[in-house]
Amino acid sequence: ETGVTQSPTHLIKTRGQQVTLRCSSQSGHNTVSWYQQALGQGPQFIFQYYREEENGRGNFPPRFSGLQFPNYSSELNVNALELDDSALYLCASRQFRDYNEQFFGPGTRLTVL
Amino acid sequence: TQLLEQSPQFLSIQEGENLTVYCNSSSVFSSLQWYRQEPGEGPVLLVTVVTGGEVKKLKRLTFQFGDARKDSSLHITAAQPGDTGLYLCAGGRQAGTALIFGKGTTLSVSS
Repeated sequence: ETGVTQSPTHLIKTRGQQVTLRCSSQSGHNTVSWYQQALGQGPQFIFQYYREEENGRGNFPPRFSGLQFPNYSSELNVNALELDDSALYLCASRQFRDYNEQFFGPGTRLTVL
Repeated sequence: TQLLEQSPQFLSIQEGENLTVYCNSSSVFSSLQWYRQEPGEGPVLLVTVVTGGEVKKLKRLTFQFGDARKDSSLHITAAQPGDTGLYLCAGGRQAGTALIFGKGTTLSVSS
């Protein structure tokens, strides 16, 4: 069974740029969620995708957007990067009806200069 | 507003000591998970509790869900250096919804 994978592992961007992060869900999982984890904080929910549609969104502006593909993999896009976007971005997958048990990837460390 | 409050925020103990980490909320959760995260890695699921009053044991770790499903605790017996890490509690309001995380407890166990 393949776990959740994310790419890239690290990324450095400058303010105003755009970034795309990628996630492959664990085998058999149809739901993908994205979280942002700032240094010293717990993960904060960005949004969730199920059946290729956004199925819940946290308190993040529209410049955070995403996609889910037919194979359940997903992308997180962030436009007009700000310094505060520097964080570890985590992708988690699960079966939609599971008791919220989510399985996380290793994350992408984004640094915005 | 932090819906899940974890305490203590930091804990530094000697090998062999016991410890308890608390996760409290004024909200009811349908389920609660505990995760452990190491630096630069994603959180790893330790346990899920779904029934009020439920107690689960995982080797030296004991997890309890409060009767009202608003709080939880993690107790570690005879801590070892390998237990070092960030412990996160996370709650789900309903099955299929996003997780709400606490800020975490950073545990350091020295030999």
